[in-house]
Amino acid sequence: DAGVIQSPRHEVTEMGQEVTLRCKPISGHDYLFWYRQTMMRGLELLIYFNNNVPIDDSGMPEDRFSAKMPNASFSTLKIQPSEPRDSAVYFCASSGDRGQLRHTEAFFGQGTRLTVV
Amino acid sequence: AQSVSQHNHHVILSEAASLELGCNYSYGGTVNLFWYVQYPGQHLQLLLKYFSGDPLVKGIKGFEAEFIKSKFSFNLRKPSVQWSDTAEYFCAVNTDNYGQNFVFGPGTRLSVLP
Repeated sequence: DAGVIQSPRHEVTEMGQEVTLRCKPISGHDYLFWYRQTMMRGLELLIYFNNNVPIDDSGMPEDRFSAKMPNASFSTLKIQPSEPRDSAVYFCASSGDRGQLRHTEAFFGQGTRLTVV
Repeated sequence: AQSVSQHNHHVILSEAASLELGCNYSYGGTVNLFWYVQYPGQHLQLLLKYFSGDPLVKGIKGFEAEFIKSKFSFNLRKPSVQWSDTAEYFCAVNTDNYGQNFVFGPGTRLSVLP
């Protein structure tokens, strides 16, 4: 497996623009997580899904952020409108072993470095 | 809700020195415990994990960690660090209830001087 795949790796956008980050989890994993990492706040869990259903979105900072998982192999994190304070590295991670009820570790993607100017 | 604390924000060591990074969690039930490493500019990678069994677990690159249930601790150790161990280290926990909510500690930055 190629691991968790995120795109784009880098994104520079102007304040007010819509930004969409994409994630393809590891095949067979039934949990998907979106994290944000900044120097000031460290690694923050934004939202996670189980079997494509959002379980906990309490970490989503505000309504400008939304996440979807239309199927088991794809998720998006959207920021609309973007602001300079959204600049961070956004990581997607996946875990689980579909149907096996077996815990696994979280596997992280390479991250998307977002800069909002 | 569970939380994870790490004792040190930044640790500076010389090569060949021994390392111990502290990690404590708050949750009274069954936990799964992890240490991740993040090299500069890279993503988080798993160093080691504990689910059950022997509380002393060995990971990659000579790292090990010991789960002490009575102390709610999962400290990371390495007998002799190398310059290439310079990175940020994260302790994480998830609980054995419904939902795999990985909670990460704030991280400890390790700088190893050559």
